[in-house]
Amino acid sequence: GAGVSQSPRYKVAKRGQDVALRCDPISGHVSLFWYQQALGQGPEFLTYFQNEAQLDKSGLPSDRFFAERPEGSVSTLKIQRTQQEDSAVYLCASSHREGDSKQPQHFGDGTRLSIL
Amino acid sequence: GNSVTQMEGPVTLSEEAFLTINCTYTATGYPSLFWYVQYPGEGLQLLLKATKADDKGSNKGFEATYRKETTSFHLEKGSVQVSDSAVYFCALSAVRSGGSYIPTFGRGTSLIVHP
Repeated sequence: GAGVSQSPRYKVAKRGQDVALRCDPISGHVSLFWYQQALGQGPEFLTYFQNEAQLDKSGLPSDRFFAERPEGSVSTLKIQRTQQEDSAVYLCASSHREGDSKQPQHFGDGTRLSIL
Repeated sequence: GNSVTQMEGPVTLSEEAFLTINCTYTATGYPSLFWYVQYPGEGLQLLLKATKADDKGSNKGFEATYRKETTSFHLEKGSVQVSDSAVYFCALSAVRSGGSYIPTFGRGTSLIVHP
């Protein structure tokens, strides 16, 4: 498809389990972003990749959160030992170029994560 | 640091009413400004953007003008439709410490349009 694809759309896990969320960006897009969106809130930045390099991970809330993009295309966000406060929608976005504030972001539909 | 402040919702209007959703920002340098729309169960979609002062972004009847003197980017539409019901996010993109352009989003404003 032409858009950003995220999977799974919904994920339910028990507290303490590890989860992995996948993002397939638009082909050729250099920049990839992960966001966490709590109910009724705007997206909060988690981490940013330029190709395979993770340039900014200042938004990751704890060392339980880990992201990778090993070949500069598909990215995975992993959350270890999940906690209830991790319940949120996780959004992935990509943009064509890096270092250009004029570039809009193209978002996937998100993964809704529920921790029981 | 960079920040975006939007008016709180929900904004409830009748069809064909005039819409304004206020957005103000603080940023270092010269940011680009965006409005995104989010329908239930979906990700954000770009609605319009403006990249320099006095630019007007427009799309699907929506407009917003980049006002540097008031650091504002208010969203307007002359006649709303039921299908415009969604959550609207104001956002800016400006350089952060470290040199990367990481967008900053407002909290979103829910719009409900009644027939």
